Amino acid sequence: QKEVEQDPGPLSVPEGAIVSLNCTYSNSAFQYFMWYRQYSRKGPELLMYTYSSGNKEDGRFTAQVDKSSKYISLFIRDSQPSDSATYLCAMIYRGGADGLTFGKGTHLIIQP
Amino acid sequence: KAGVTQTPRYLIKTRGQQVTLSCSPISGHRSVSWYQQTPGQGLQFLFEYFSETQRNKGNFPGRFSGRQFSNSRSEMNVSTLELGDSALYLCASSLATSNTEAFFGQGTRLTVV
Repeated sequence: QKEVEQDPGPLSVPEGAIVSLNCTYSNSAFQYFMWYRQYSRKGPELLMYTYSSGNKEDGRFTAQVDKSSKYISLFIRDSQPSDSATYLCAMIYRGGADGLTFGKGTHLIIQP
Repeated sequence: KAGVTQTPRYLIKTRGQQVTLSCSPISGHRSVSWYQQTPGQGLQFLFEYFSETQRNKGNFPGRFSGRQFSNSRSEMNVSTLELGDSALYLCASSLATSNTEAFFGQGTRLTVV
């Protein structure tokens, strides 16, 4: 079993829809959770990070962490074609000895 | 504010050769981490440097090594290249060692033939 599971997609939705991206993890020691967006031939871009359980909102993006279920989500409201990219979840435990552990990424397509 | 700069962007090397990749972190960031990204394995942690010292290392063979200079710039070296080393190598910089806000460069695309 992989430490972090993420559906690779592709996930295709119409412009303006609410997008839900998810990851599950097995290591309960993870304490910090991040979402990255990666366009083709580019490096990952940090979108949001959260600590422990709860919600965090930034513009059209909301990150949600449920540590009891070992489940994290990223919601994108009013999705735009420019949001089409691969979204990677990442997590790290306090001290970060093993660096960031990433999901494989979900390929998102927003149809105009 | 300049981002993380990686050079070169693309490299083609032959099996058995060695290669050195360079990373300049964001000004003021002292931690530099390296990751390998492949379609099959995704992003995997190679190692982290902080204040010129290797702090952590991922599960990669000794052919993969790195160093960090006093100005926080970092280099990664891969010796005796294998076909399986073909990947996108990404460098991430952060203020401290926890990597909670790690900013990535564009990466170096290495192709081994």
